[in-house]
Amino acid sequence: GAGVSQTPSNKVTEKGKYVELRCDPISGHTALYWYRQSLGQGPEFLIYFQGTGAADDSGLPNDRFFAVRPEGSVSTLKIQRTERGDSAVYLCASSLTGNVNEQFFGPGTRLTVL
Amino acid sequence: SQQGEEDPQALSIQEGENATMNCSYKTSINNLQWYRQNSGRGLVHLILIRSNEREKHSGRLRVTLDTSKKSSSLLITASRAADTASYFCATGNSGNTPLVFGKGTRLSVIA
Repeated sequence: GAGVSQTPSNKVTEKGKYVELRCDPISGHTALYWYRQSLGQGPEFLIYFQGTGAADDSGLPNDRFFAVRPEGSVSTLKIQRTERGDSAVYLCASSLTGNVNEQFFGPGTRLTVL
Repeated sequence: SQQGEEDPQALSIQEGENATMNCSYKTSINNLQWYRQNSGRGLVHLILIRSNEREKHSGRLRVTLDTSKKSSSLLITASRAADTASYFCATGNSGNTPLVFGKGTRLSVIA
């Protein structure tokens, strides 16, 4: 596709449930990023991939959060035992490998944990 | 953690006026980028300025960067109602390191 796509656009779940959020980056972009944005805040970094491997996962808040990118393209962010505090917009971005890092963002998934 | 801080947090202007937003950051950077976000969803990349550049223009946008003061400004000239959005600065280091965003400025342009 022309841009980064994310599914679902909205996800409502109950506390304690497991959710998966999907990101489809721009074709050919080797770097993929996940950010989380709470209301009234800027996006905060969670994890980024260079190809299939997680190059930096220091932003993941705890071990309930995990992300994969098995074939170096689509990525899935997985959240176990969701908590109300996980409610936020989850943004995915991709970029080409290079010295200057212009990132292209998807529309986000709005996660609501009841 | 968030490195940048935008100022002001909110700005309301009349259509046709200029809007100026400022961003300050804490550590050395390779580049600084400005993004726009409508309705809390996807961010749209507006402009990137490298650390060795002082000013950059794109259409009605003008960005300045002062690395000695660790600050940047975004000027939108002749604003339009469609410019109403949140604007974020984000700092980047060399390579594909993640961006560090500020909290954003909410701009309202009144027709």
